[in-house]
Amino acid sequence: QVQLKESGPGLVQPSQTLSLTCTVSGFSLTSYHVSWVRQPPGKGLEWMGVIWTGGSTAYNSLLKSRLSISRDISKSQVFLKMNSLQTEDTATYYCARDRNLGVPFDYWGQGVMVTVSS
Amino acid sequence: DIQMTQSPASLSASLGETVTIECLASEDIYSNLAWYQQKPGKSPQLLIYYANSLNDGVPSRFSGSGSGTQYSLKINSLQSEDVSIYFCQQNYDSPRTFGGGTKLELK
Repeated sequence: QVQLKESGPGLVQPSQTLSLTCTVSGFSLTSYHVSWVRQPPGKGLEWMGVIWTGGSTAYNSLLKSRLSISRDISKSQVFLKMNSLQTEDTATYYCARDRNLGVPFDYWGQGVMVTVSS
Repeated sequence: DIQMTQSPASLSASLGETVTIECLASEDIYSNLAWYQQKPGKSPQLLIYYANSLNDGVPSRFSGSGSGTQYSLKINSLQSEDVSIYFCQQNYDSPRTFGGGTKLELK
């Protein structure tokens, strides 16, 4: 069945770089896009970016200068890297299966909580 | 970016009651509207897509409606397991944007 699972450090120091991995199963990264979405504690959802089936990417303009998404098809993994972290980046980070505009995210990972603190 | 304004921000209702949550887009999104349910400590789960299409396995007491810029989610005969936060999302344009969420509690 379709599954996505995020992994990464729970604590990151301010100004450092966050590195997260989304490991997928039940579908191919060449057939579906994968988006990253984050949710600060007690707040709403923010779409961060997407890696498309062809390998190209698109980012939320608010995060574009700090964010990079890549993948390893052979390992069914998608990677998120975001630099210059600040306390306001504290959030639960989700990866979600994506198709094209017009189609919502039909499967989400369980999420990984990341705290930015010294 | 398309702004999604969701109301109310919180809602308290009794078991068996019917509740409605509204979502207003800042421009026409041509029914490219999804609703998600997020239970405490869990990831969002897709309830409704294309404004009124029920996702597989979603109880029929959930329904969606709307067009243009105005959309709503209706829950008939509220059950205890419906206590959640509900989010709308527009899938018409990038970046995909979400409403601020509606926290539904039992009275």
